[in-house]
Parts: sequence; structure tokens; C-alpha cells
Amino acid sequence: GAGVSQTPSNKVTEKGKYVELRCDPISGHTALYWYRQSLGQGPEFLIYFQGTGAADDSGLPNDRFFAVRPEGSVSTLKIQRTERGDSAVYLCASSLIRSGRVGELFFGEGSRLTVL
Amino acid sequence: DAKTTQPPSMDCAEGRAANLPCNHSTISGNEYVYWYRQIHSQGPQYIIHGLKNNETNEMASLIITEDRKSSTLILPHATLRDTAVYYCIVREYRARGTASKLTFGTGTRLQVTL
Repeated sequence: GAGVSQTPSNKVTEKGKYVELRCDPISGHTALYWYRQSLGQGPEFLIYFQGTGAADDSGLPNDRFFAVRPEGSVSTLKIQRTERGDSAVYLCASSLIRSGRVGELFFGEGSRLTVL
Repeated sequence: DAKTTQPPSMDCAEGRAANLPCNHSTISGNEYVYWYRQIHSQGPQYIIHGLKNNETNEMASLIITEDRKSSTLILPHATLRDTAVYYCIVREYRARGTASKLTFGTGTRLQVTL
């Protein structure tokens, strides 16, 4: 597709389980971002990738959260030992980096995670 | 990234101009002003950005004060579909080939009414 694709759109899991959320960025976009959004709040930055490497992971809340982007395209956000407080919409965005131009971010529709 | 201050909510009549203010008094010389909006249950959508000159595109106009400490997003003829949360963000300009994150606040909830 033409836009950022995120799967699953909805995920319900039990406390303590492991979860993976997938993001397919726009083809050719070298930068990829993960955010999470709780009800009534703005998106909260988690991590962004420049190519395959994590250029800034300062927003990851703790070591239960991990993200990879092994081939510089698709990214997976992994959450271990989920807690009820992890319930949120997880948003992925990608952007194109061009010489001298700060690219805008294109967001997906998000993955809604509910931890029971 | 510098912080921004926006009113939590605003109303606008359909067909009228919506003027959304934003204060960014601590903005640095290398930071752009970005506006995004988020319609209910969707991801944020880019609207416009600028450094110091006023900008206009098919969606909106951005007016930045001369001292760059505040800006206004203008939707010239608001429609019901413009009802959304509007985020004003300042973002560091990076050297060629690098990226920087966007830091969102809580935004302004714009309600367009009949």
C-alpha cells in the first residue's frame, strides 16, 4: 500500500504475556518512529531508526520494550511481560530524509494494545 | 526540543476561519515550527511547517511572528471534517541526511460546528 501499515490493528493479551507489533513503512523511507498514545494524551515518543540502527531510543520506558528493524524497512516493537499500564495505541511513522530537507512524518493508523 | 503552549480547546463555526495559536517562546534558531492534526481514531497527519517565513499550502496557512516566539495556524474555511486535535511542535533542524523526533504536547481540540 501507499501508506504506513501497522499490524495487528487490535491486540488483547493477558498480563505477563509477550507481544509483537509490526510496522511496514512507506517504501524508501529511511527513518522510522514508534510512539505510543494513551487516552486523552498526545503521542509519546519511544524510539526512532535511521536505516537499521536505533538512532534514539531514549523514549523506551524500560527494558521490557525493544524494537528492531533488521533490514532497514519493516520494524517490530516487542514488549515482554506485559503490564496493564502498557495498554495504549502504538503508532508507527516513517519519513524520507533528503539532503537539506527535514521530512514530515507519515503515521499509520496504530495498533491498539489492551492488557487484561 | 523547545516546549509549546496551546489552548486545550476551541470552537469554530463551519465556513469560518479557524485560527489556532501556539506559543513557543524558547524556540531556538535551528528549530522549525510544525503542525500536525489527529482526527479521532486515526494517526496524526502532517499539515504544514515553517522556520521564519509565513507558509501556505492546500490545507492551511502558518503565520510565524517576527521574533518566532509564537505562531498561528489558519484553516481558512473550516469544515466539519476539520474537527480534530491540532498539535504545534518545534523540531530541531538536523544536518543533511539525519532525522529528529517530534515531541507532541496535548494539543488543541478544535470542534467545528454547524
